[in-house]
Amino acid sequence: QLHLQESGPRLLKPSETLSLTCTVSGGSISNDHWSWMRLPAGKRLDWIGRIYMTGTINYNPSLRGRVTMSLDRSRSQFSLRLTSVTAADTALYYCARVSGDETVDIWGQGILVSVSS
Amino acid sequence: DIVMTQSPDSLAVSLGERATLNCRSSRSVLYSPNYKNYLAWYQYKPGQPPKLLIYWASTRASGVPDRFSGSGSGTDFTLTISSLQAEDVAVYFCQQYYTTSWTFGQGTKVEIK
Repeated sequence: QLHLQESGPRLLKPSETLSLTCTVSGGSISNDHWSWMRLPAGKRLDWIGRIYMTGTINYNPSLRGRVTMSLDRSRSQFSLRLTSVTAADTALYYCARVSGDETVDIWGQGILVSVSS
Repeated sequence: DIVMTQSPDSLAVSLGERATLNCRSSRSVLYSPNYKNYLAWYQYKPGQPPKLLIYWASTRASGVPDRFSGSGSGTDFTLTISSLQAEDVAVYFCQQYYTTSWTFGQGTKVEIK
């Protein structure tokens, strides 16, 4: 049974860099595609980016070059880096698996990240 | 980006009754070469991660009860819960994965009347 777990700092100040890691267990990180999404309170889910097993990465254009994703197969982890955060980046962040059908079928529990001065 | 709009924003249904949730995309998510609609539905309960219910607009995900069904094509889609159970109280999101930039609807909150 594939399991995903997000980890990282939960409180940031404006202008800092958000760095989250998703640890994959119960399966091989090399055999699937992976994604990050976030859910701001009271708003809709927001897709952040997606990394394919081929290494191809797609990002949400609305994040205007602030976002970077990477994959560490040796640690069975993939990560998210979002620079110059503001209060608008406060959200519940989820890592997830993207199936071969391009659907998000397995999600982590989520990690609440708050940005406040 | 494709804008996803759900209606209604909230819905109160009696136990055992039918719940009908709608989702409209600002442009078609039907890919003609394979005739598949790139539309999924998720169930979200606070404190839990979203759960995939339906993909390709009408295919139930593994383990999803058959009281959940999806229909529609092109730009208009429906999620139907045929007989609402107490455990179905949740927010339901639709999502398009037709374009590289996935987008989600704002959600419909389903409650018990």
